[in-house]
Amino acid sequence: DSGVTQTPKHLITATGQRVTLRCSPRSGDLSVYWYQQSLDQGLQFLIHYYNGEERAKGNILERFSAQQFPDLHSELNLSSLELGDSALYFCASSPRVTLEDSTLHFGNGTRLTVT
Amino acid sequence: GNSVTQMEGPVTLSEEAFLTINCTYTATGYPSLFWYVQYPGEGLQLLLKATKADDKGSNKGFEATYRKETTSFHLEKGSVQVSDSAVYFCALRVPRFFGNEKLTFGTGTRLTIIP
Repeated sequence: DSGVTQTPKHLITATGQRVTLRCSPRSGDLSVYWYQQSLDQGLQFLIHYYNGEERAKGNILERFSAQQFPDLHSELNLSSLELGDSALYFCASSPRVTLEDSTLHFGNGTRLTVT
Repeated sequence: GNSVTQMEGPVTLSEEAFLTINCTYTATGYPSLFWYVQYPGEGLQLLLKATKADDKGSNKGFEATYRKETTSFHLEKGSVQVSDSAVYFCALRVPRFFGNEKLTFGTGTRLTIIP
């Protein structure tokens, strides 16, 4: 058990809808990272938050947004969903703003299916 | 930009066979290199890492050596077991001052071990 909790485990929704994925980092970790894992593109970095502030953005679509709350949990919001958004979405956490001398700990992911 | 290239899978081996999964990278500066493993239904877990040239990371019988001259970090194990069946990801981290703080992953290699 990595200590990172993601909910829900599975989500099935229709095109055009909006969903929210939730992540609770390991106790004491201030950084949260979101990754998208799809069959054709592997594991793609979406966004990094540290202590409530956005620190880095990757290949995140404008239809997607994220935030990290004062209690350090994070939410990834996906809107105007398309079939191609179907993927496994992972959250990972680490203690500090950098990954120097620390490790990313991953949750078990949320599998999103858009029909 | 920074990138990781892994050998394409799937890879199927018999128990006790020798394993090599190739990984090469392109990066600015002096990256740290990682191997993560993803067991069915779970998130990624760190398997081993190396932070500078000629370092060897090892864990659970797996080894990888950071080769700067060939920009490679190949994963090896002398005798695989059925329990090693998983997806293996090579990843790199470039020190923060060269860019955004994140891990960049390869596309993953699915390994299946047959009894």
